[in-house]
Amino acid sequence: TQLLEQSPQFLSIQEGENLTVYCNSSSVFSSLQWYRQEPGEGPVLLVTVVTGGEVKKLKRLTFQFGDARKDSSLHITAAQTGDTGLYLCAGARGATNKLIFGTGTLLAVQP
Amino acid sequence: GAGVSQSPSNKVTEKGKDVELRCDPISGHTALYWYRQSLGQGLEFLIYFQGNSAPDKSGLPSDRFSAERTGGSVSTLTIQRTQQEDSAVYLCASSLELGYGYTFGSGTRLTVV
Repeated sequence: TQLLEQSPQFLSIQEGENLTVYCNSSSVFSSLQWYRQEPGEGPVLLVTVVTGGEVKKLKRLTFQFGDARKDSSLHITAAQTGDTGLYLCAGARGATNKLIFGTGTLLAVQP
Repeated sequence: GAGVSQSPSNKVTEKGKDVELRCDPISGHTALYWYRQSLGQGLEFLIYFQGNSAPDKSGLPSDRFSAERTGGSVSTLTIQRTQQEDSAVYLCASSLELGYGYTFGSGTRLTVV
């Protein structure tokens, strides 16, 4: 059973378009992180959200943590080719705060 | 070091052979994690180490898999009698403490033929 489901699985858009990636679960997480992974590399941490309802902005990227801390979204404004990659959400839960990774969203931004 | 270092970056092995994968975490990071990633998929948790506590081995898929962390620093993931389904990218990460953001290495791509 996958605790964290991401949608869509694949997304191909043109440069300049906006997009939203969703990360959903029936479980509550103490915090949620978003990572981006490029081919041949490990995932790189983009942001950590901790409080229900929290919104964080990182240049053209906006991250939101759901009020109930069960879901999150990543919105990219005016996508660029450099945004291409695999986006992974990861939730921390339990006494150990071990991270559980989502299924991933593969984004391709075409020039 | 400045980042998490993994070696080798690529490993091709014959079915039935044993392999050892190495991870050198960021100095001072107390938590170290191993994950496995199949092509284009999310990450599957394998094991983590936190300081001197007993490791959480709950993600190891079979008793062919084992890991150790010596001196609270370098970790080795060992896969015995490799099978084709073990083929994947094995990623190591470290963090300052449990729950903090992870810094990942570039991974070891294991191919079992």
